[in-house]
Amino acid sequence: RKEVEQDPGPFNVPEGATVAFNCTYSNSASQSFFWYRQDCRKEPKLLMSVYSSGNEDGRFTAQLNRASQYISLLIRDSKLSDSATYLCVVFTGGGGSNYKLTFGKGTLLTVNP
Amino acid sequence: DTEVTQTPKHLVMGMTNKKSLKCEQHMGHRAMYWYKQKAKKPPELMFVYSYEKLSINESVPSRFSPECPNSSLLNLHLHALQPEDSALYLCASSHSDGVNDEQYFGPGTRLTVT
Repeated sequence: RKEVEQDPGPFNVPEGATVAFNCTYSNSASQSFFWYRQDCRKEPKLLMSVYSSGNEDGRFTAQLNRASQYISLLIRDSKLSDSATYLCVVFTGGGGSNYKLTFGKGTLLTVNP
Repeated sequence: DTEVTQTPKHLVMGMTNKKSLKCEQHMGHRAMYWYKQKAKKPPELMFVYSYEKLSINESVPSRFSPECPNSSLLNLHLHALQPEDSALYLCASSHSDGVNDEQYFGPGTRLTVT
């Protein structure tokens, strides 16, 4: 099982649609989780951290299921500007030489007019 | 302000050249990172600096040499690179290298080795 695995995509959805991405991780000791978005030929930008209780930021909702070792990102009322690659990122380990941050391969979303 | 700056934006270099990439942040972050990203792939961690000390080197070839002159600056010195080293080089910073510390990325340097 890969350390961090995401829906391969691509996802093509119409404006206004709701879309959900899933990400699974293999190490049960993983401690923190993030979603980043990356536009074509740009840097990754932090979208949101994922908290144990789940969290929402406007149209975006992130959830964590530690028992099943997956995190999800839900985007409601999709906008054209949501078109990007969404990266699932998992932190495992402590600081210093134990630092380990693993990126999923990303899921490409295209929102169509 | 969550800004990380990188220079240059683009760099073309020959295999015998020596060049440096620069990264700067003024957020008071004490952890800084170098990543390499190839097209359609996720970023790959190269180096981690924590409190200006190198804490992680992900088995990066010695033709890449990082340097952290102070808490705001991070350099990546390049020498005798290969064409396969062509990629987007991203710098990032975070408050520290702890469990909940979110990383903020710079815009990257797009490197082409000829």
